[in-house]
Amino acid sequence: EVQLVETGGGLVQPGRSLKLSCVASGFTFNNYWMSWTRQAPGKGLEWVASITNSGGSTYYPDSVKGRFTISRDNAQNTLYLQMNSLRSEDTATYYCTRGNSGYWGQGVMVRVSS
Amino acid sequence: DVVMTQTPPSLSVAIGQSVSISCKSSQSLVASDKNTYLNWLLQSPGRSPKRLIYQVSKLDSGVPDRFSGSGSEKDFTLKISRVEAEDLGVYYCLQGTHLPYTFGAGTKLELK
Repeated sequence: EVQLVETGGGLVQPGRSLKLSCVASGFTFNNYWMSWTRQAPGKGLEWVASITNSGGSTYYPDSVKGRFTISRDNAQNTLYLQMNSLRSEDTATYYCTRGNSGYWGQGVMVRVSS
Repeated sequence: DVVMTQTPPSLSVAIGQSVSISCKSSQSLVASDKNTYLNWLLQSPGRSPKRLIYQVSKLDSGVPDRFSGSGSEKDFTLKISRVEAEDLGVYYCLQGTHLPYTFGAGTKLELK
């Protein structure tokens, strides 16, 4: 059974940093691109980042480019999202996904507020 | 960026009724490999989204065949035949052909 378990969320002040983790199981992790997608409270879905199987290439929308970094450790079956210079508009539930939407984790809440 | 226009924003249905949801893209979603990367997802209340359909019309494992997807180029439709209570929630389309990946705004399916 595919499982994706995110951790690392919480309350953080604007301008500060936070790192999310996603531990994957139930599939061969290094065979798949992985992504992060977020959902602001009461809003729709927004793609945040993707990374290739090997980790050699990463992709971001303009809204987070230069502030967020996606990475992976294939030996540990773990996906990461380093979020720097956080803004109030980054407040959302962050989901780890296999590919861009094949399987989803339970999500982790990030709240950016002073 | 590719804009995904999803309609209607909400639907009120009776159990057993059939419904359709439309998703139109601002650009063709046919990729250089000739595949069309248009997915449909359902977010049930209080739950994470779940993919139902990928590449326009391919059902994910375990998805009832009451769900079907169709369309091409820039115009796509999700049809649910004989709606059941477990189908209620918010449906999203997602294009995975062009970066940045973009979602439709969602269609909320509610009970009449």
